[in-house]
Amino acid sequence: DGGITQSPKYLFRKEGQNVTLSCEQNLNHDAMYWYRQDPGQGLRLIYYSQIVNDFQKGDIAEGYSVSREKKESFPLTVTSAQKNPTAFYLCASSINRGSGELFFGEGSRLTVL
Amino acid sequence: AQRVTQPEKLLSVFKGAPVELKCNYSYSGSPELFWYVQYSRQRLQLLLRHISRESIKGFTADLNKGETSFHLKKPFAQEEDSAMYYCALSTLNYGGSQGNLIFGKGTKLSVKP
Repeated sequence: DGGITQSPKYLFRKEGQNVTLSCEQNLNHDAMYWYRQDPGQGLRLIYYSQIVNDFQKGDIAEGYSVSREKKESFPLTVTSAQKNPTAFYLCASSINRGSGELFFGEGSRLTVL
Repeated sequence: AQRVTQPEKLLSVFKGAPVELKCNYSYSGSPELFWYVQYSRQRLQLLLRHISRESIKGFTADLNKGETSFHLKKPFAQEEDSAMYYCALSTLNYGGSQGNLIFGKGTKLSVKP
C-alpha cells in the first residue's frame, strides 16, 4: 500500500528532551515536507527537502532539525530548544518541489508534559 | 508578502443549501492555487487545483485575479461534505524560503441534516 507513514501517532515527552518523529514514503517522491498544524493556525512549514542530502528551513524552523539521508525517509527532531513543541505534526511528499499536489501522512501528535 | 486568507473559521449550512468557502490571496507573481480537504479521521488530501478547472465531488473553484480570490463553491451541500477545508498558494515562482505551498488557516464546514 503506497503512501506516507508517520510514527508514532502519539508521543509524550518531558521538557528538556529531544524527540524524533519518523516519516517514510514509498511513492518515489523527490520532495518531502514537515508541517506543524495548530488549531486556528493552519499549516506552517517547518522544513522541506527537494532531494536526498538537501533540506531547507521553512517559516518556523527554530528548535527543529531534519535529515534526508535516504529518499524514502525524512525524520524530524524536535529539540529542547523548541519553546512550544506541543502540536500536531504532518509530513508530506510530492513528486517534486514544483508540484502543488502534496500527499500527507496521518500525523503525529506530540505532547510535552 | 504572499499570504492566504480564509476569513471564516466555521461555516454551517443545511443539507441541500449552496455553500461557498472564501479564499483570498496576496501574491506578486502568477498564482497557482489549490483546495485541500481533511475529513474526520482521514488524511489531508488535495481536492482540486485551479489549473485543472475541474469539478470534484460537485465542488468548483474559479481563480479571480482581479479580486485575488479562489472561492470554493458547491450548489447543493451534502452531509458528507462536512470537513476542514484549506486553501493553498504555490509560491514556487517567487522563490525564497517558504517552500512549496502556503496554506490558509482553514474553514470548518458543517453541513446539518
